[in-house]
Amino acid sequence: EPEVTQTPSHQVTQMGQEVILRCVPISNHLYFYWYRQILGQKVEFLVSFYNNEISEKSEIFDDQFSVERPDGSNFTLKIRSTKLEDSAMYFCASNPGQGLYEQYFGPGTRLTVT
Amino acid sequence: DAKTTQPPSMDCAEGRAANLPCNHSTISGNEYVYWYRQIHSQGPQYIIHGLKNNETNEMASLIITEDRKSSTLILPHATLRDTAVYYCIVRALRGYSTLTFGKGTMLLVSP
Repeated sequence: EPEVTQTPSHQVTQMGQEVILRCVPISNHLYFYWYRQILGQKVEFLVSFYNNEISEKSEIFDDQFSVERPDGSNFTLKIRSTKLEDSAMYFCASNPGQGLYEQYFGPGTRLTVT
Repeated sequence: DAKTTQPPSMDCAEGRAANLPCNHSTISGNEYVYWYRQIHSQGPQYIIHGLKNNETNEMASLIITEDRKSSTLILPHATLRDTAVYYCIVRALRGYSTLTFGKGTMLLVSP
């Protein structure tokens, strides 16, 4: 069964550094998302992406963040100048569109900013 | 999207049915009820969704009241692997519409 994959599974970085989190959505899906979950807290929406542009973004998704679909398979989240409070699990999700809107999530990347 | 209310935790014996309630009294006519679960920091997993009719799939059944103000997710024969946080989410059906997660219900299935 097709799955969303994410790499790396765990990323440790120093405050102020840039990180890129990578996701491979399910093939032929049209809508892509990033969510995050700070330890012990709720899953929070960051951004949605469709047709090579951002569809919607939350207040969390400020200028520090950017997303890109550099080729036909990868979907990336870039965090510039990381802060301690960016430490969280980051989940990528995709949905097929075309009348099917269930979102399928990847296993997540644990980002630790020291 | 409409707000949902779920009990913070529930217990269930292995092999018994787990019935997880959700209140969504402000749901509007074009909003669907979705259920996801999250097993210990893994990515949320889609379970089922419905508009007004009851739905069943290989994982669970979804019972929606006639006035659509509440629903119940039923896991017919709970196993230890069903221990997870279960989220009831109401959302309009648009391609890019996001999921707004609450705190969910922590279901503990015991032997």
